[in-house]
Amino acid sequence: QVQLQESGPGLVKPSQTLSLTCTVSGGSISSGGYYWSWIRQHPGKGLEWIGYIHYSGSTYYNPSLKSRAIISVDTSRNQFSLKLRSVTAADTAVFYCARAAMTPDNWFDPWGQGTLVTVSS
Amino acid sequence: DIQMTQSPSSLSASVGDRVTITCRASQTISTHLHWYQQKPGKAPKLLIYDASSLQSGVPSRFSGSGSGTDFTLTISSLQPEDFATYYCQQSYNTPWTFGQGTKVEIK
Repeated sequence: QVQLQESGPGLVKPSQTLSLTCTVSGGSISSGGYYWSWIRQHPGKGLEWIGYIHYSGSTYYNPSLKSRAIISVDTSRNQFSLKLRSVTAADTAVFYCARAAMTPDNWFDPWGQGTLVTVSS
Repeated sequence: DIQMTQSPSSLSASVGDRVTITCRASQTISTHLHWYQQKPGKAPKLLIYDASSLQSGVPSRFSGSGSGTDFTLTISSLQPEDFATYYCQQSYNTPWTFGQGTKVEIK
């Protein structure tokens, strides 16, 4: 079965760029039929969808991120990545990667275990 | 953006109780509604997709219903492992959005 695993620094300084990678195992990211997504959860709060990428490179971003997010894909490594620039303390959150079905509908399954990123000097 | 509102925000229940959680969308979303369970320190887990379809491996005591703007998640007989936070999510329009969560606690 497909599994996802996030990796990246747990601490980022304010105004810098947060960079995370999601490694997909048990299946190919290029198999099609899925959107590869990032979702975050502020401490003790709800879930916010950041955006997705298709293996072809097409992307969608939540406008709430005000164009600070970039999602990219590396099919050779079976990975996709998130960069979030100009971070502030308000970006401190647990970041999850997840697979979203394309058809017939868009639910998230499976999810990575999540990684906490703290923005602090 | 489509706003998803869950009620209640939290509830206390006993093992064996029937529990119902409601999710309301700010506009019609047909049946593009999915439910997740999240336990502390863990990632959310898909329970129900397309409003009423049970994800493989999920116990049959979980069920979902609704269409349009009003949806419910029902646990027919609450088990100890069901104490968690539950989220709904709409995929009718981007950006896909989640409800604020309903925490199910032990009475």
